[in-house]
Amino acid sequence: QSVLTQPPSVSGAPGQRVTISCTGSSSNIGAGYDVHWYQHLPGTAPKFLIYGSSNRPSGVPDRFSGSKSGTSASLAISGLQAEDEADYYCQSYDSSLSAYVFGSGTKVTVL
Amino acid sequence: QVLLQESGPGLVKPSETLSLTCTVSAGSISTYYWTWIRQPPGKGLEWIGYIHYSGTTKYNPSLKSRVTMSVDTSKNQFSLKLSSVTAADTAIYYCSRVATGTQGAVDVWGQGTMVTVSS
Repeated sequence: QSVLTQPPSVSGAPGQRVTISCTGSSSNIGAGYDVHWYQHLPGTAPKFLIYGSSNRPSGVPDRFSGSKSGTSASLAISGLQAEDEADYYCQSYDSSLSAYVFGSGTKVTVL
Repeated sequence: QVLLQESGPGLVKPSETLSLTCTVSAGSISTYYWTWIRQPPGKGLEWIGYIHYSGTTKYNPSLKSRVTMSVDTSKNQFSLKLSSVTAADTAIYYCSRVATGTQGAVDVWGQGTMVTVSS
């Protein structure tokens, strides 16, 4: 069971905006540790999407945005496209576990 | 763009040691931290640990007693050994690179290699 909780699934129609939450605690996100996000298509390598809670690496469309507040973080996908259908994971550091941890993962479905 | 490629046996017997190597190409292993991450079938991602090109390591405490990572800068490779494996260690294993200046963000991933623990 992950210390970072994500909804199992979210869905939206093409062009819509969806958000994925990542809920942690005072030993990880709430302690000020950065949150990173990845997009993962089964059978392929995960893709680096967001780092430092809200920064996009070069080449990532600005349709993807991240934010953090208190003990939670969020990933928003605007202008949803069919190619966005994938699993999404958040990541942070947990001081109690003394380890980097990943969220439970969220499957995004484009209707 | 740097490329990472995992190599090693796809089948390991219970109680034996899983050994994987990651070859870094189109880039240098120096100055970076390198990590191993795994994903059991149907489950999420799990951070195993990281190694700096200098040899400094940090392991997930849940696996620390069984994990050893090493680096060979002359071959541009780093390796993972996981001892006393059980079926719970069956997973896709990814080698990856920690992005410079971040708190553990992974910017480059290998394609992953499936390791099954079974007799």
